[in-house]
Amino acid sequence: DGGITQSPKYLFRKEGQNVTLSCEQNLNHDAMYWYRQDPGQGLRLIYYSQIVNDFQKGDIAEGYSVSREKKESFPLTVTSAQKNPTAFYLCASSMRRDNTEAFFGQGTRLTVV
Amino acid sequence: GESVGLHLPTLSVQEGDNSIINCAYSNSASDYFIWYKQESGKGPQFIIDIRSNMDKRQGQRVTVLLNKTVKHLSLQIAATQPGDSAVYFCAENRAAGNKLTFGGGTRVLVKP
Repeated sequence: DGGITQSPKYLFRKEGQNVTLSCEQNLNHDAMYWYRQDPGQGLRLIYYSQIVNDFQKGDIAEGYSVSREKKESFPLTVTSAQKNPTAFYLCASSMRRDNTEAFFGQGTRLTVV
Repeated sequence: GESVGLHLPTLSVQEGDNSIINCAYSNSASDYFIWYKQESGKGPQFIIDIRSNMDKRQGQRVTVLLNKTVKHLSLQIAATQPGDSAVYFCAENRAAGNKLTFGGGTRVLVKP
């Protein structure tokens, strides 16, 4: 089945460690996105990529990094510079044209202790 | 399951009644809007979308209304069912490219 897969579902890391969240899609979508979700808030855009080997910062990019070496994959690294990394992280993908829906993965819950 | 919002506004509705969820947006240049449904511990699911050249769009049991004059969006769910219990987000496409900006969400609780 076509879809977007995030792994792992739950992730625990010690403070000060970098951690990478996986996002893979087989929808043949050009565009991919990472959002962060905190309790009581909507989704906030971290990074997005409209095409392979290109990506742009979203609204809250500080402390995060991404790569887009393959169309299917858009991993997100939460670095030690991110001051409050514990959150629910959602990856999405869409067709590249404007005004089209984004399809979401099931999310990764990151807890930093 | 995961809590997607501990302090979200909550709409309690009796099973079988209609639900209306409201959303205000701030950017008059936004030209595309989507409603998503998010169940606990899961990613958001697309419900319905509307472009700014329309003021109403209907789907199966759902209707989205867009009032550009007051920058207001609403989602109406007919004959609300227990499976409709979730958090509902509106999202707007404010700029070129497909970067969606999300509202804060509303939790819908369906009472049997």
